[in-house]
Amino acid sequence: AQSVTQLGSHVSVSEGALVLLRCNYSSSVPPYLFWYVQYPNQGLQLLLKYTTGATLVKGINGFEAEFKKSETSFHLTKPSAHMSDAAEYFCAVTEPNTGNQFYFGTGTSLTVIP
Amino acid sequence: GAGVSQSPSNKVTEKGKDVELRCDPISGHTALYWYRQSLGQGLEFLIYFQGNSAPDKSGLPSDRFSAERTGGSVSTLTIQRTQQEDSAVYLCASSSHDGYSNQPQHFGDGTRLSIL
Repeated sequence: AQSVTQLGSHVSVSEGALVLLRCNYSSSVPPYLFWYVQYPNQGLQLLLKYTTGATLVKGINGFEAEFKKSETSFHLTKPSAHMSDAAEYFCAVTEPNTGNQFYFGTGTSLTVIP
Repeated sequence: GAGVSQSPSNKVTEKGKDVELRCDPISGHTALYWYRQSLGQGLEFLIYFQGNSAPDKSGLPSDRFSAERTGGSVSTLTIQRTQQEDSAVYLCASSSHDGYSNQPQHFGDGTRLSIL
């Protein structure tokens, strides 16, 4: 069975500092990987995804993530945090050609300190 | 609208009552998912519809929960004899993927359900 682990349920960074949100997965085959952001009282919005090809993927709002097969990781980064980045972030994984379940991590709440 | 629409946005009901939550997916999306998000928790998969195939109900927590999808579009999640532990945000998502799962899910804003 697949699983997703997000280390750190709460992360605080200063405005302008590097954002690093960790995601590790377990999968028997190379998975498809996603990062979503959730603002208060809203649903989840896709930040970026990895399916095949280049392992460094760029998303919206200046975020990027790198798929590292050897580390079974898909960490999310942003060079410089903005106040507007404060939100809940979820990592998700699914296996190619399974067509059904997406597995989500428990989320990381990002606080940006002015 | 172009996005996934869920109604109602908020629902407060008494323990023991039945509730129905509605999801209008993005037009043309064949895949539809229901999730439950409890306070401070991640997303708990409930049920998945793909086209005309039999739904994947493996995530439904009890037989009080059921869902249907009429005409391959609108879906209704029904909770019978609600309990206080059913209080959560129920999220619906749709996707255009047809089994290759490389398409992301598009989420509605959720229904916040509170059981008194």
